[in-house]
Amino acid sequence: SQTIHQWPATLVQPVGSPLSLECTVEGTSNPNLYWYRQAAGRGLQLLFYSVGIGQISSEVPQNLSASRPQDRQFILSSKKLLLSDSGFYLCAWTRTGSRSPLHFGNGTRLTVT
Amino acid sequence: GEDVEQSLFLSVREGDSSVINCTYTDSSSTYLYWYKQEPGAGLQLLTYIFSNMDMKQDQRLTVLLNKKDKHLSLRIADTQTGDSAIYFCAERDYNNNDMRFGAGTRLTVKP
Repeated sequence: SQTIHQWPATLVQPVGSPLSLECTVEGTSNPNLYWYRQAAGRGLQLLFYSVGIGQISSEVPQNLSASRPQDRQFILSSKKLLLSDSGFYLCAWTRTGSRSPLHFGNGTRLTVT
Repeated sequence: GEDVEQSLFLSVREGDSSVINCTYTDSSSTYLYWYKQEPGAGLQLLTYIFSNMDMKQDQRLTVLLNKKDKHLSLRIADTQTGDSAIYFCAERDYNNNDMRFGAGTRLTVKP
């Protein structure tokens, strides 16, 4: 069966510090990978998605970037965090092709102080 | 872009049925999903329905789809306190890599 791992679970970082959140998927190959942000326990905002190694699509221009160095690894980064980057970050995957639903990781709670 | 709309709050008593409603606007949506999010956790897929179906039942969950009105509902029978969570409706077009989510309905179950 497939599993998705996301870490860390919680993170407190000062303004101006860098960020690296990691997500890995097991039990499947060539998944589509996604980063979402959820503010205040509410709606989801798609940040990035990737259909293959090195292929990143950005949905919202902002202070964040994403990379996919390996087939089942997706990384969310920032060089300098802003207060507005605080939120709940969710990684998700789906099989290639659009017939399967997204499966989510457990999320990372980021607080920028 | 297309919007998915849900009411923000629903409160029911334990043992009653809960009905969470969702409307979507993209007539090309082919897959519609319900997710559950418990506090501090990721989204858990509950059920989904294809656009060529009217109804899908899975134990205590019943999904109804009215494609003409672009209305989707999730009925939870015999609601329990453990059902308290945020429920998200989502749609997907066959040609898209993305899913569109509603803002979520916070279900509170009172004992």
